[in-house]
Amino acid sequence: DADVTQTPRNRITKTGKRIMLECSQTKGHDRMYWYRQDPGLGLQLIYYSFDVKDINKGEISDGYSVSRQAQAKFSLSLESAIPNQTALYFCATSDYSSSYNSPLHFGNGTRLTVT
Amino acid sequence: SQKIEQNSEVLNIQEGKTATLTCNYTNYSPAYLQWYRQDPGRGPVFLLLIRENEKEKRKERLKVTFDTTLKQSLFHITASQPADSATYLCALPYSSASKIIFGSGTRLSIRP
Repeated sequence: DADVTQTPRNRITKTGKRIMLECSQTKGHDRMYWYRQDPGLGLQLIYYSFDVKDINKGEISDGYSVSRQAQAKFSLSLESAIPNQTALYFCATSDYSSSYNSPLHFGNGTRLTVT
Repeated sequence: SQKIEQNSEVLNIQEGKTATLTCNYTNYSPAYLQWYRQDPGRGPVFLLLIRENEKEKRKERLKVTFDTTLKQSLFHITASQPADSATYLCALPYSSASKIIFGSGTRLSIRP
């Protein structure tokens, strides 16, 4: 089983709809992140969380919200989806408590299409 | 603000040769720098980390260098193989290590 699991893997939705992307981890890591990837733009940080109930904005948080109700779960919501939110979304974790330079562990992504 | 620059063009290398990828950053020198590999449709996978006080780090056929004067890291794959074909991303901490930012990656293609 994957250590970082994202659901769904693919999602097509219409403009204006509210959707939620889920991420769960079995690694016991304290930090969790949501990134967005567009072709040629690399990974852009949306939100990150140091611990339960801790939420921090990244580079491109407008139009998104997150929830970290448990250490193992970090969900990303699009309150009213728009076509330019069509992208590949990645969740990642890191074990910052053991080392400040711990690498990120990524899920396999959710491909979101907003029509 | 800190920016990371990686060559966005595809790097085509003959099998068996050494592939060298470049990562440049524009602002302050980070405490460390990481390299990741990403295959199509998959999440990035961590490869190597190099700290600011390290000039070079090796792992099997991989070698990373870190030059804080040039604000540059080089990533080398020796004896390259077609299976090394992927996109390689560099990443570094931003704002007191609370955030990790990524370059856009360089796609490497190893031809037999």
